[in-house]
Amino acid sequence: DAGVIQSPRHEVTEMGQEVTLRCKPISGHNSLFWYRQTMMRGLELLIYFNNNVPIDDSGMPEDRFSAKMPNASFSTLKIQPSEPRDSAVYFCASSLQGANIQYFGAGTRLSVL
Amino acid sequence: AQKVTQAQTEISVVEKEDVTLDCVYETRDTTYYLFWYKQPPSGELVFLIRRNSFDEQNEISGRYSWNFQKSTSSFNFTITASQVVDSAVYFCALRTIIQGAQKLVFGQGTRLTINP
Repeated sequence: DAGVIQSPRHEVTEMGQEVTLRCKPISGHNSLFWYRQTMMRGLELLIYFNNNVPIDDSGMPEDRFSAKMPNASFSTLKIQPSEPRDSAVYFCASSLQGANIQYFGAGTRLSVL
Repeated sequence: AQKVTQAQTEISVVEKEDVTLDCVYETRDTTYYLFWYKQPPSGELVFLIRRNSFDEQNEISGRYSWNFQKSTSSFNFTITASQVVDSAVYFCALRTIIQGAQKLVFGQGTRLTINP
């Protein structure tokens, strides 16, 4: 079975540009999570969806960040405009609601110059 | 407050040694779940184990074992006869419900290096 698929694996962009990260959850999973990992702050939950509906976005740093889940098999995390401090590894994870175990994608390493 | 503490930032041992990674958690929940994840140098996060707060039985999986003690709020992870492939960052995490939303609260991780 395919795991959580994230694209791109690496993204290098210039400050001010729009960045879109993509995630395909495990088929059948109905919860999806976006995390950010930095050396300073570790792993932080940004937002999570249940059945395509955002449940908790309290971790989204500011209005420059937005996330969507238009259907059960696809989600995006967008940063507009990007800033150097957004440089991090962004992970997507999915789970079966109630099953508790979150399975992570390989991550997208974002560098904003 | 919901919190996970992994006091060991880095551990370095020689291959075949046993090594224990410590995890201490804080929660007010009566029901909760604890997890361990492995992050190898390639970067992905790999699920290792989930433990329910009602189940204090220790678990063994091959060279891996976990010791859950509610009395000390600890969920420690031991690797027996370590191998170079065990080199990774290991994260302990606590699943909690905050304002109706489930969250995984991660510790800061322990970087384990196994030297040949």
